Amino acid sequence: EIVMTQSPATLSVSPGERATLSCRASQSVSSNLAWYQQKPGQAPRLLIYGASTRATGIPARFSGSRSGTEFTLTISSLQSEDFAVYYCQQYYHWPPWTFGQGTKVDIK
Amino acid sequence: QVQLQESGPGLVKPSETLSLTCTVSGGTISIYYWNWIRQSPGKGLEWIGYVYYSGSTDYNPSLKSRLTMSVDTSKNQFSLKLNSVTAADTAVYYCARMSVTDRQGFDYWGQGILVTVSS
Repeated sequence: EIVMTQSPATLSVSPGERATLSCRASQSVSSNLAWYQQKPGQAPRLLIYGASTRATGIPARFSGSRSGTEFTLTISSLQSEDFAVYYCQQYYHWPPWTFGQGTKVDIK
Repeated sequence: QVQLQESGPGLVKPSETLSLTCTVSGGTISIYYWNWIRQSPGKGLEWIGYVYYSGSTDYNPSLKSRLTMSVDTSKNQFSLKLNSVTAADTAVYYCARMSVTDRQGFDYWGQGILVTVSS
């Protein structure tokens, strides 16, 4: 099973600032990596797939990148609606497809 | 617009079988993996397994011995059965879609259904 490790667990950011979230895979997942946003009481929403491609309707302030087994989600200028929990997920090796434990982005 | 909706009992007794159904509207049930994912209270996400429209399945090895998934293409529905449940199976259960041809993550999700295992 591929283990996905996200850091930090919590990120405190002021509105308008940049947020950088990290996700590391325990072995290669190529670029088969997705990022999701989850708000309280809601289902996760797909933000990024293929490590760097924004899903339909996702604002350009969200971007993803890959360096080997390290993945980064960047939110260039945090808006109030971006405070949420973010999960990475690999879909390269299965079963099982696996998620990171999440990074909570809260207001500083 | 594709929509997924989970349905089933919100309370299941220990040792019994948890049964959920997901109804798909606004799109075809073909060429997709139809997945179940759960989230224990205050915890992260766990992939349970998928069923393909042909009926083939793949399950999380940690749950495989207790799982059965099936699909009913005539009703655009797919189902989950998890037997011998314990309190550890208490979670919000989501159904979600992933394309077979261009796997791009889970692009549509249901709203989720809370299932509590308790006597």
